Amino acid sequence: NAGVTQTPKFQVLKTGQSMTLQCAQDMNHNSMYWYRQDPGMGLRLIYYSASEGTTDKGEVPNGYNVSRLNKREFSLRLESAAPSQTSVYFCASREITGWSTEAFFGQGTRLTVV
Amino acid sequence: AQSVTQLDSHVSVSEGTPVLLRCNYSSSYSPSLFWYVQHPNKGLQLLLKYTSAATLVKGINGFEAEFKKSETSFHLTKPSAHMSDAAEYFCVVSDQGGGFKTIFGAGTRLFVKA
Repeated sequence: NAGVTQTPKFQVLKTGQSMTLQCAQDMNHNSMYWYRQDPGMGLRLIYYSASEGTTDKGEVPNGYNVSRLNKREFSLRLESAAPSQTSVYFCASREITGWSTEAFFGQGTRLTVV
Repeated sequence: AQSVTQLDSHVSVSEGTPVLLRCNYSSSYSPSLFWYVQHPNKGLQLLLKYTSAATLVKGINGFEAEFKKSETSFHLTKPSAHMSDAAEYFCVVSDQGGGFKTIFGAGTRLFVKA
């Protein structure tokens, strides 16, 4: 009963390096989301995918790209990491056929860019 | 586009006294509204959600929230705070336009004094 699985859980990058955060859900949900959490700012939406084959920008998309690989997987890529991208990243999924279905979250990836 | 404002960044109460965490939202469509809780160094847990079946929504651990369309508010309450309620609380809005974009408020940190 995995739910939403994020890998890795922790990562340290040097400025300018690239990396991909992976997210997979096993609940057959249509929508998937990537957020970043910074102290005092709540969770801010980076990108989301309402359904397989679509992606849209959220509140803070600059410096990130996403791929909705299939219905299960939604990856987040940092092409050239910057210290400002140090944060905790959360992936979430949600079934949108119901009017008020909640999102389910992964345990987060703590990323430090030095 | 939807938005959500949590009116207090910090709330401090004594154990056994009532809790009120305030949330105002903006949405062009009929919104879905949620409250999540995050304990220190933990993941996100759903407290309750607005389903349109009733304006007063009951959640876990004795929390309730009331949907007031005329005031565009969804405040979270609990009659009697417990030490274990100390955590960060997030109000979340999602609407059916814009691909079910789901936006978090900045969060309210609840402190409970013995």
